[in-house]
Amino acid sequence: EVQLVESGGGLVQPGGSLRLSCAASGFTLSSYWMSWVRQAPGKGLEWVANIKQDGSEKYYVDSVKGRFTISRDNAKNSLYLQMNSLRAEDTAVYYCARDAGICSAGSCYDNWGQGSLVTVSS
Amino acid sequence: EIVMTQSPPTLSVSPGERATLSCRASQSISGNLAWYQHKPGQAPRLLIYDASTRATGIPARFSGSGSGTEFTLTISSLQSEDFAVYYCQQYNSWPPKYTFGQGTKLEI
Repeated sequence: EVQLVESGGGLVQPGGSLRLSCAASGFTLSSYWMSWVRQAPGKGLEWVANIKQDGSEKYYVDSVKGRFTISRDNAKNSLYLQMNSLRAEDTAVYYCARDAGICSAGSCYDNWGQGSLVTVSS
Repeated sequence: EIVMTQSPPTLSVSPGERATLSCRASQSISGNLAWYQHKPGQAPRLLIYDASTRATGIPARFSGSGSGTEFTLTISSLQSEDFAVYYCQQYNSWPPKYTFGQGTKLEI
């Protein structure tokens, strides 16, 4: 059974840092693009970043470029999101999501974690 | 950035009825669109990809259609477990700047 379990969320002050982790099991992580998607309170889903199977390509939504870094350790079956210079508007539930590998021109997501809440507040 | 607009924001229907949800892209995305179901406290669930292909294990009462800028998710004969928020997502852009719609809440 495919499982994605996020951890590392919590309360952080504006300007602070946090590192999210996503532990993957039930599949070979190195075979899939992976992404982070977030949902701010009362809002819809927002794609944040994705990373190629070998980590050689990474892409970000404009609002987090230069502040967030996506990475992976396939040997540890783990995906990460390092978040620096956090702002109140980064408050959200952060999901890791697996690229289904079936969508014609890009990524759609067939497996998601339960999410990790990040709250940025003083 | 491709903006995805869903309508209506909320749709009130009864079990057994048909629901039609709309999603519009700000520019053509061909058929590169997915639909998700999201219930509170749960992970989103992929329903439809490539605009009209049902994902594995998705009941036949869910169907998707459209191309270009106009897309529709239809749920025939609503079941109680179908009441949730539905999102569309485009994956047409490269480099990837995937965007979701703001969601349609399906309620009784």
